[in-house]
Amino acid sequence: NAGVTQTPKFRVLKTGQSMTLLCAQDMNHEYMYWYRQDPGMGLRLIHYSVGEGTTAKGEVPDGYNVSRLKKQNFLLGLESAAPSQTSVYFCASSYPEYTQYFGPGTRLTVL
Amino acid sequence: GESVGLHLPTLSVQEGDNSIINCAYSNSASDYFIWYKQESGKGPQFIIDIRSNMDKRQGQRVTVLLNKTVKHLSLQIAATQPGDSAVYFCAELNNNDMRFGAGTRLTVKP
Repeated sequence: NAGVTQTPKFRVLKTGQSMTLLCAQDMNHEYMYWYRQDPGMGLRLIHYSVGEGTTAKGEVPDGYNVSRLKKQNFLLGLESAAPSQTSVYFCASSYPEYTQYFGPGTRLTVL
Repeated sequence: GESVGLHLPTLSVQEGDNSIINCAYSNSASDYFIWYKQESGKGPQFIIDIRSNMDKRQGQRVTVLLNKTVKHLSLQIAATQPGDSAVYFCAELNNNDMRFGAGTRLTVKP
């Protein structure tokens, strides 16, 4: 039981490049989330999903897209990366109305 | 307490002492509250939770207190150990909307 895993762990992009972050969970959770965490700040929700095939916007969705084609996977895409998207990205999963379990994070730098 | 910006509130305690970390939450309709611990370079880790119909919940060495009147949450850690050094976040949940505080950095001195 690996819990929540994220790929990759680190990535450096140039402005305008695109990339996809992968989140996988093996706990059969319905809900999945993508957050970003900036220095000295708490987690801010980017997008979330309440089930396979569904996604919704969170607090800071601009510049990101997501897809939930399989229950266990939640993808976060950056179509045209900007320096303001330099951050640490965390994925989480949960049963509805219960504790969220987090992955180890992806550190992204956009030059 | 909570803050926004680059400087986290900090709490420094001596090993073996008790720690109390405070959090003011914003939404009186929130019905579920969680404390997370985040060590450097890792994701947040669940510590303890409490529902709004309770005012106290105890775990192993940790206690969460909820005061809905003043929208205040606290985490008490008994006999603090060096391994407790981390950033601690409170989070509030209302429907599917979970909001996190900025965190408090706990440092345990040997």
